Amino acid sequence: GENVGLHLPTLSVQEGDNSIINCAYSNSASDYFIWYKQESGKGPQFIIDIRSNMDKRQGQRVTVLLNKTVKHLSLQIAATQPGDSAVYFCAENKNSGYALNFGKGTSLLVTP
Amino acid sequence: DVKVTQSSRYLVKRTGEKVFLECVQDMDHENMFWYRQDPGLGLRLIYFSYDVKMKEKGDIPEGYSVSREKKERFSLILESASTNQTSMYLCASRSNRNTGELFFGEGSRLTVL
Repeated sequence: GENVGLHLPTLSVQEGDNSIINCAYSNSASDYFIWYKQESGKGPQFIIDIRSNMDKRQGQRVTVLLNKTVKHLSLQIAATQPGDSAVYFCAENKNSGYALNFGKGTSLLVTP
Repeated sequence: DVKVTQSSRYLVKRTGEKVFLECVQDMDHENMFWYRQDPGLGLRLIYFSYDVKMKEKGDIPEGYSVSREKKERFSLILESASTNQTSMYLCASRSNRNTGELFFGEGSRLTVL
């Protein structure tokens, strides 16, 4: 599959701080990108997605930024809470394909 | 509430056994997927199905087959289990290809001895 990678495998932040999780992609043909959250013992859960014709999209406490020039995607979590501790995956949906290609994941640990 | 149900949370099988992993979704979704998840490797696509009786190979189909006889059910089959198939298996469904929102089951952890 195409390379969807992450810069850091683990990230530790203090409760209340903002978190930024990064992702690099290599396929210019991807037409949208998605972030998933996986809590321990559960399947991944959809957080937010962004189309390739957008630079930014906001949800509840989360913002996704897309920089197509450098093929970089980031997830920002505002006022990080203990319940945000999880593994976060970025994924891409290629223009002609049905399947999502997932990155290897970043583990976010929120400390009190 | 949407639901993807995997029949077994934990299985232990012996090398050479035939293994069936069942997945059922109650959302009338067109697309269904089987991924395996291993530490450090993330989620890797084994097979997917875009409609009933249709199937496509993913990135790592070797040693696996699938069946989708009904829209709500997608089965993963290991014809002859091997130790390197010890893994967490995740089933997912999606309404159609125009959305990136996959709904995942809670996973089936398979150990092959």
